Amino acid sequence: EAGVAQSPRYKIIEKRQSVAFWCNPISGHATLYWYQQILGQGPKLLIQFQNNGVVDDSQLPKDRFSAERLKGVDSTLKIQPAKLEDSAVYLCASSLGASGPRGETQYFGPGTRLLVL
Amino acid sequence: AQSVTQLDSHVSVSEGTPVLLRCNYSSSYSPSLFWYVQHPNKGLQLLLKYTSAATLVKGINGFEAEFKKSETSFHLTKPSAHMSDAAEYFCVVTGGADGLTFGKGTHLIIQP
Repeated sequence: EAGVAQSPRYKIIEKRQSVAFWCNPISGHATLYWYQQILGQGPKLLIQFQNNGVVDDSQLPKDRFSAERLKGVDSTLKIQPAKLEDSAVYLCASSLGASGPRGETQYFGPGTRLLVL
Repeated sequence: AQSVTQLDSHVSVSEGTPVLLRCNYSSSYSPSLFWYVQHPNKGLQLLLKYTSAATLVKGINGFEAEFKKSETSFHLTKPSAHMSDAAEYFCVVTGGADGLTFGKGTHLIIQP
């Protein structure tokens, strides 16, 4: 079974530029998550989709970050304009159902490492 | 609301000796708890999870964890460390309407 795919794996941009990341979840997984992992910290949830609807985006800096999952399958996360503090690894994960009391397992992609100069 | 505290940022053990990575949690609901491992430049991999069944959970690569409600703990153990166990380990809690909440991670160092 193919895992969660992400691209690109690495990206270097200058501040105030824009950048986009792509994620393809495991086939059949309804829920997709984007996390930000700053060096030395645990991942922090940015946004959660259930099919093509947003379930939770309370931690997403909406003035500069946007995400979409138009057909309920793959997703893109965009940063515009980027700041130095956006340097991090951006992780995509998917699960069969919704995370919550049932403890659905989330499967993670390899991440995109972003460096903002 | 929920939170996770990993009590050690770094743990160093000798190869062949036991491993103990400590985790305490806080949750308003009956939580589900996970341990994930992250090797350098690789994605997060699920080691094991607790979802209100048996309190002693066995995972991959010889790891296990015990859910202790009275102590609000979910410590990760392995009887004998291997060099390939060197990685970052994350304790994770979920429950209610909240998504996953990650601890800050414990860096496991294996001395030859």
